[in-house]
Amino acid sequence: DTAVSQTPKYLVTQMGNDKSIKCEQNLGHDTMYWYKQDSKKFLKIMFSYNNKELIINETVPNRFSPKSPDKAHLNLHINSLELGDSAVYFCASSQDPYRSYEQYFGPGTRLTVT
Amino acid sequence: AQSVTQLGSHVSVSEGALVLLRCNYSSSVPPYLFWYVQYPNQGLQLLLKYTTGATLVKGINGFEAEFKKSETSFHLTKPSAHMSDAAEYFCAVSEKQGAQKLVFGQGTRLTINP
Repeated sequence: DTAVSQTPKYLVTQMGNDKSIKCEQNLGHDTMYWYKQDSKKFLKIMFSYNNKELIINETVPNRFSPKSPDKAHLNLHINSLELGDSAVYFCASSQDPYRSYEQYFGPGTRLTVT
Repeated sequence: AQSVTQLGSHVSVSEGALVLLRCNYSSSVPPYLFWYVQYPNQGLQLLLKYTTGATLVKGINGFEAEFKKSETSFHLTKPSAHMSDAAEYFCAVSEKQGAQKLVFGQGTRLTINP
């Protein structure tokens, strides 16, 4: 019954590795997002997809590549992981990207790069 | 560019006391305004939002916030704090035009003393 789910919840990996985080929403929403929360709890949007189309792409290193196979899924692939990528990554979804609808957040994936 | 400032990274109040969390925004036009709450090791949950209309907005768990255009503020209040209110609180804004992109403040950690 979870509205927005993410896997894995924790991810520990070494520098230079490639990893993916998966997100799924069962709310029937058209729009999904990725946010990054750093060690100081600062949250910043990374990407947004609407109906599988990329509509927001913030200044993010191109090592980060989102992929949306369908409206209910938005995955985040990270190449050549760096220490600075350590953070909590949140997926979110909303009904419509152009109105002030609530964004529903997943529980987060804590990524630790050693 | 929009920005959000939350005054006080840490606020501590006694149980039963008034909670006041401050948020000021910078935007060329009044944006949509949100308060989100994050409990430990969880994702964010919407408390309340202001889009248009009445400037005093009521949310969940007894919280409310007032939009003051002249002060560019959207402070969050609760008349009587409960132990369960202990959490991290984030103020966020998004522009009324274009794809919704939440810009968050740095967060305020609320501690409730028994």
